[in-house]
Amino acid sequence: DIQMTQSPPSVSASVGDRVTITCRASQNVNTWLAWYQAKPGKAPKLLIYAASRLQSGVPSRFSASGSGTLFTLTISSLQPEDFATYFCQQTNNYPYTFGLGTTLEI
Amino acid sequence: QVQLKESGPGLVRPSGTLSLTCTLSGGSIGTYYWNWVRQPPGKGLEWIGDVFTTGSTTYNPSLRGRGTISLDTSKKQLSLNLSSVTAADTAIYYCARLDSGYGGFDIWGQGTLVTVSS
Repeated sequence: DIQMTQSPPSVSASVGDRVTITCRASQNVNTWLAWYQAKPGKAPKLLIYAASRLQSGVPSRFSASGSGTLFTLTISSLQPEDFATYFCQQTNNYPYTFGLGTTLEI
Repeated sequence: QVQLKESGPGLVRPSGTLSLTCTLSGGSIGTYYWNWVRQPPGKGLEWIGDVFTTGSTTYNPSLRGRGTISLDTSKKQLSLNLSSVTAADTAIYYCARLDSGYGGFDIWGQGTLVTVSS
């Protein structure tokens, strides 16, 4: 299985801050990498697909880059609704695998 | 608006079979992969398996052959059966849609908690 390692596991930030989260794959996943936002009791939300493509309806303060084994998600100016858990996922190979998540805290 | 909603028993006895249904509303089955994902308490997400519109399935080997996923296109329902369950199968179970052209799960259900306990 491809292991997805996210860092940091958690980050404390304030409204208006710029935050970057990293996801490393144990093998090449090309650009088959997605980022999600999760909040308790709600369905996870797709933010980014194909490593850098913004899902429709997602604010432009979210951006991502990377290919192969190293990927980043950046939130340019944190808003109150952005405090949540973010996780990456590879869909290059079965079984699909997820990172353990990064919790964004105030 | 396309929505998915999971349903099924919240409590399953050890060694029993976990059975869940996921109902699609506001959209069609189309040419997507329909997935099951779970998250045990305090742990990360685990992909369980998927089914394509043709009925073709793929499973996570970690299930050791205990899982069965099927698709009823007429009812727009996805189902999961997981046999010989143990406490380790206690988790929030999600269904989700994958557009293979994009590589992300763009629609998720809200999830349903299943507890395995006697």
